[in-house]
Amino acid sequence: QVQLVESGGGVVQPGGSQRLSCAASGFTFSTYGMHWVRQAPGKGLEWVAFIQYDGSKKYYADSVKGRFTISRDNSKNTLYLQMNSLRTEDTAVYSCAKNWGYFEYWGQGTLVTVSS
Amino acid sequence: QSALTQPASVSGSPGQSITISCTGTNSDVGGYNHVSWYQQHPGKAPKLKIYDVSKRPSGVSNRFSGSKSDNTASLTISGLQAEDEADYYCSSYRSSSTWVFGGGTKVTVL
Repeated sequence: QVQLVESGGGVVQPGGSQRLSCAASGFTFSTYGMHWVRQAPGKGLEWVAFIQYDGSKKYYADSVKGRFTISRDNSKNTLYLQMNSLRTEDTAVYSCAKNWGYFEYWGQGTLVTVSS
Repeated sequence: QSALTQPASVSGSPGQSITISCTGTNSDVGGYNHVSWYQQHPGKAPKLKIYDVSKRPSGVSNRFSGSKSDNTASLTISGLQAEDEADYYCSSYRSSSTWVFGGGTKVTVL
């Protein structure tokens, strides 16, 4: 069965950096686009970024463009999100999700708290 | 990037039908058939209920159905059950290769 397991969350100071990972299993990772989606505490879902199956195309929400970078290593079945210049408003649970037009499967997420 | 518009809450009695609306623009809901719906129970990951406006993934009850008219998509839950009490989010592909979610709707089973 499809499994997506995020890791790398924690507490980081404003202006700091954090790298999240999403380990995928149960499907042919290299043939699917992948997303990052976040949810601030008590708030709704917000799309963050998408990467095409081969890594050739990447798209970002305006709120993270220029600060976050999505990438993938198909040899390791792993998706990444490099987050730089973090702000307090980036505090959220970050989840990875499979597919292109919709979010077919989701991981449980990893909490990133940006606080001094 | 403004969110799609959903009602904050919808309620119904067991066995009844409820409908959740999701209003966007010609650049998202009205322009593409990539509207999807998600159910989220507290502390859990969202689960896909409807994709491409009206398609149900394998294993999803046929009590869940989706539709779209112009810039508004809808999710209907028929035969409401206690387990349907959750938050529901719509999502749409948007021009410029981005995606957008609705603000979420809390469904209460009375």
